[in-house]
Parts: sequence; C-alpha cells; structure tokens
Amino acid sequence: DAGVIQSPRHEVTEMGQEVTLRCKPISGHNSLFWYRQTMMRGLELLIYFNNNVPIDDSGMPEDRFSAKMPNASFSTLKIQPSEPRDSAVYFCASRRLGTGNQPQHFGDGTRLSIL
Amino acid sequence: SQQGEEDPQALSIQEGENATMNCSYKTSINNLQWYRQNSGRGLVHLILIRSNEREKHSGRLRVTLDTSKKSSSLLITASRAADTASYFCATDGRGSNYKLTFGKGTLLTVNP
Repeated sequence: DAGVIQSPRHEVTEMGQEVTLRCKPISGHNSLFWYRQTMMRGLELLIYFNNNVPIDDSGMPEDRFSAKMPNASFSTLKIQPSEPRDSAVYFCASRRLGTGNQPQHFGDGTRLSIL
Repeated sequence: SQQGEEDPQALSIQEGENATMNCSYKTSINNLQWYRQNSGRGLVHLILIRSNEREKHSGRLRVTLDTSKKSSSLLITASRAADTASYFCATDGRGSNYKLTFGKGTLLTVNP
C-alpha cells in the first residue's frame, strides 16, 4: 500500500523563482494537510483540505503561497515569488475523514532551499 | 500560543534503558497523539490517546494522559539504538475540526 508521495524530494532554486511542490495522498484518504518544518518554528500547519475543499488556510504565511487540490489524488503548494526565508522542509499528510480520531500519514517531505 | 510543548528538548540514554518524554498543552483536547520522526523522513504515527483515557500501551510504548494537568508522557521501555529519533506530541483541540497542533519535539538518542 503506497504511502503519501511527495515530489520533488529536494529543490534548490534562486530567490524570485516560482516553486511548485506536489503531493499524492493515500488512496481513500479525503483530508490533506500541508506543513512546513524549520528548526526555529517547528512544524507549522499551512493549510488543509477536506474532500478537496480548503477548510483552513490561516497558516499560509503570505499571498506568495497558494495551494490547490484539483482532485482527490493530487495537491500542489506553490510559492511565487520565492524568498530565502521560505527555505524549509515541506510535508504533506493525509487521513481518512468521518471516522473520528484517525492519525495523519506523512510523506517524506520536500527540502526546499532558496538561494 | 503553542499547543503541545515537549520536555526535555533532547535526551540521551544507553540501549536497554527506559526513555520518558513529556508533553504539556494549553487548551481542552479531543485526543493527543504521539509521532516519531527519523532524520530526513516524515512523521510516523505511534499512538493516540483520547481525552477520556488515562493510559494506553502499544508494544514497548506506554502513554499517559492527565487532562487536569494538561499533560501527557510517552515512555519507551528497553530502548534500542533504532529508537533514535525525534518524538512529537500533537493535540486535536475541541472544535478544531481535526486540525493537529504539534510541539517542537524531543530528540532522543539511544547509544548502543
């Protein structure tokens, strides 16, 4: 059974460039989360979707960040334009809704470095 | 305010010893979960304890929850070098619609 798949695993780009991170949740999971992890701030929730609909995007730091979930098997997190302070590891997680108290399943993350 | 603060920030023990990590939180919760993260990997769910439970076991893991003190502990017995990882508690606050808030974690090092 495949887990949450994220791509790319590593991304290095220059500031000002557009960055797109991708996530494929576990089949059958209808809730998807995007997190950012840094040493200073720990793991922060950026946005989450239920049934492909954004529920809470209060963690998205700025308008430069946007996320979409066009269907149940794919989501993107886009940063445009990117800045050095966006450097972090970005995680996607998914879970099954409707059965209460279900754990989140995480991908292995995208390590993003903005030069 | 930060929900889910782990203590200590780092813990180093010898193989075979027990490791205890603590977590404190601020608001009422539906449940509390513990996750583990190996270096360079995503978080892996270990155990979930509901707000009406006081203790839960899973293999070498024992979790306690004290809602009156808003605290939880994770005990790993007979630790192994492979247990070396960061451990995070995460709370699912009442009315949060299943949104989890993570602490900054405890880095556990088990020396062979």
